[in-house]
Amino acid sequence: AQKITQTQPGMFVQEKEAVTLDCTYDTSDPSYGLFWYKQPSSGEMIFLIYQGSYDQQNATEGRYSLNFQKARKSANLVISASQLGDSAMYFCAMRDRNRDDKIIFGKGTRLHILP
Amino acid sequence: DTEVTQTPKHLVMGMTNKKSLKCEQHMGHRAMYWYKQKAKKPPELMFVYSYEKLSINESVPSRFSPECPNSSLLNLHLHALQPEDSALYLCASEEVSGGAAKNIQYFGAGTRLSVL
Repeated sequence: AQKITQTQPGMFVQEKEAVTLDCTYDTSDPSYGLFWYKQPSSGEMIFLIYQGSYDQQNATEGRYSLNFQKARKSANLVISASQLGDSAMYFCAMRDRNRDDKIIFGKGTRLHILP
Repeated sequence: DTEVTQTPKHLVMGMTNKKSLKCEQHMGHRAMYWYKQKAKKPPELMFVYSYEKLSINESVPSRFSPECPNSSLLNLHLHALQPEDSALYLCASEEVSGGAAKNIQYFGAGTRLSVL
């Protein structure tokens, strides 16, 4: 069964430090996509970064980078120089053809940035 | 512009009321989605529309009725809801292309629904 695992229910990080949010996935489809979304308390799901299974390089978007380790089926999100506004729930997600291309979300990690 | 607009932002309704949630996007996306999200849980897929036709219904109770009147608009009609239907309802849209695994879904801010 395809699934996404986020093992950190909550994290507390000092402002300006780097943060790594863990995500592992499981799929038998060689073609899949991995996504990270941020959800502040306001509710909006904000797309952060995408990594394709065939991409040779790790994806980066500003302060966000995805540490993609295909053999380990790991897709950790790294936030550099964290800011107070990074406090939010973060969801790792995957989609592949084995589930009709539906997005599967992990349970999320609640990130708290401390001043 | 990756904006998906949902209205209203908040809705309180009784179990006998009829109400509708609205979702709009002007990105030319031809796939639109409704998700339900309970507190501290990930979103759960409810419905998928592709080219204005319902393609996926995740066994959602009939008290939820989706409608896609045109390529930019998605509605969710609510009738005779239960208190356990109280949740954040999120709309999303994406461009339909050959490689679905790489399509990015863009979400709205959601409607917080309370059923009394």
